[in-house]
Amino acid sequence: TQLLEQSPQFLSIQEGENLTVYCNSSSVFSSLQWYRQEPGEGPVLLVTVVTGGEVKKLKRLTFQFGDARKDSSLHITAAQTGDTGLYLCAGPVKAGNMLTFGGGTRLMVKP
Amino acid sequence: DAEITQSPRHKITETGRQVTLACHQTWNHNNMFWYRQDLGHGLRLIHYSYGVQDTNKGEVSDGYSVSRSNTEDLPLTLESAASSQTSVYFCATRRGVNTEAFFGQGTRLTVV
Repeated sequence: TQLLEQSPQFLSIQEGENLTVYCNSSSVFSSLQWYRQEPGEGPVLLVTVVTGGEVKKLKRLTFQFGDARKDSSLHITAAQTGDTGLYLCAGPVKAGNMLTFGGGTRLMVKP
Repeated sequence: DAEITQSPRHKITETGRQVTLACHQTWNHNNMFWYRQDLGHGLRLIHYSYGVQDTNKGEVSDGYSVSRSNTEDLPLTLESAASSQTSVYFCATRRGVNTEAFFGQGTRLTVV
């Protein structure tokens, strides 16, 4: 059982649609990160959220950290084909520098 | 620019052989990590190191070992490769808590 559960696992939408991806846990995290991974590449950091209730925006992407710091969401407005990829949430464990990852959401945006 | 590189990018090996995957970073970070990525499982931690001569087991460490003789390198060794170890392996480094983790491009390992 993973500490971080992501939903949905797969999402296929048309260009221009909005979508939300969720990252949930029964544990409290001091922070959460979101990464995006493209085929044949390693994950790349999108954002770090550290405060309960925090909202961060990165162009058309909006990230929210739950008030209780057990969950986070990623909302994409007017998706583009360039948003296609695997989205991973990650959080620190054992009060150290290790990261545990969720299972990922594979997003496909069709033209 | 600082970077993290993995080699080889692709490898096919036979069951029972010893295999070593290389990871080299020029960020000068103390923290280095090895993950494996399989469909449906995301990234799972194999081993990690917080500095020279320090190594620790992650959640899926059986059959794997690492050594840290300098800051730049953390090679991952599969002692006796098994088909269950067919996967994509990623090395990562980060400066500290709440900082960005930088990943290599991955090594696709196939055990036949």
